[in-house]
Amino acid sequence: NAGVTQTPKFQVLKTGQSMTLQCAQDMNHEYMSWYRQDPGMGLRLIHYSVGAGITDQGEVPNGYNVSRSTTEDFPLRLLSAAPSQTSVYFCASSDIWVAETQYFGPGTRLLVL
Amino acid sequence: AQKITQTQPGMFVQEKEAVTLDCTYDTSDPSYGLFWYKQPSSGEMIFLIYQGSYDQQNATEGRYSLNFQKARKSANLVISASQLGDSAMYFCAMREDMSGTYKYIFGTGTRLKVLA
Repeated sequence: NAGVTQTPKFQVLKTGQSMTLQCAQDMNHEYMSWYRQDPGMGLRLIHYSVGAGITDQGEVPNGYNVSRSTTEDFPLRLLSAAPSQTSVYFCASSDIWVAETQYFGPGTRLLVL
Repeated sequence: AQKITQTQPGMFVQEKEAVTLDCTYDTSDPSYGLFWYKQPSSGEMIFLIYQGSYDQQNATEGRYSLNFQKARKSANLVISASQLGDSAMYFCAMREDMSGTYKYIFGTGTRLKVLA
């Protein structure tokens, strides 16, 4: 049982490049989400999904796209990276009906030059 | 609108003493959940404790307890018998359940330093 996995752990991009941050969970959770964490701030919700084929925007969705074709995977796409997207990105999952905890991945550290 | 406020950017506590980390929230949803997470310097997010809005008793998990005061909209974390390993960032979070969006929001965190 791997829990929530994220790849890569660290990535450097140049402004304008695109990339996909991968997130997978093996707990059959309906709910998955992406957060970014900037210095001195808490986690801010980017996008979330309550099941395959269903996604919605969070607090800071601009510049990011998501899709959910399977229960297990929830990739986050940066179409044209900007320095303001330099951050640590966390993916998380939880059972919608048992909300006692949200399980987090180890995070991806992204640097946009 | 949902809001979580943590007013203590940093706290110090002596080893073996108890410490309270403050969290206030704002919501119009009658059904919600409150969470506390720990983030050590290694960066991972560790779930500590959960309180549902309809729970009559304060949640406890080992040395962690959540002082839930619904009328005051506060959900303070109490750590008893602090240990050096408790030094970390602590985040309060909330999820509204009735709206159907299941969005979580987080506070800005409190950095706790346990002194030997």
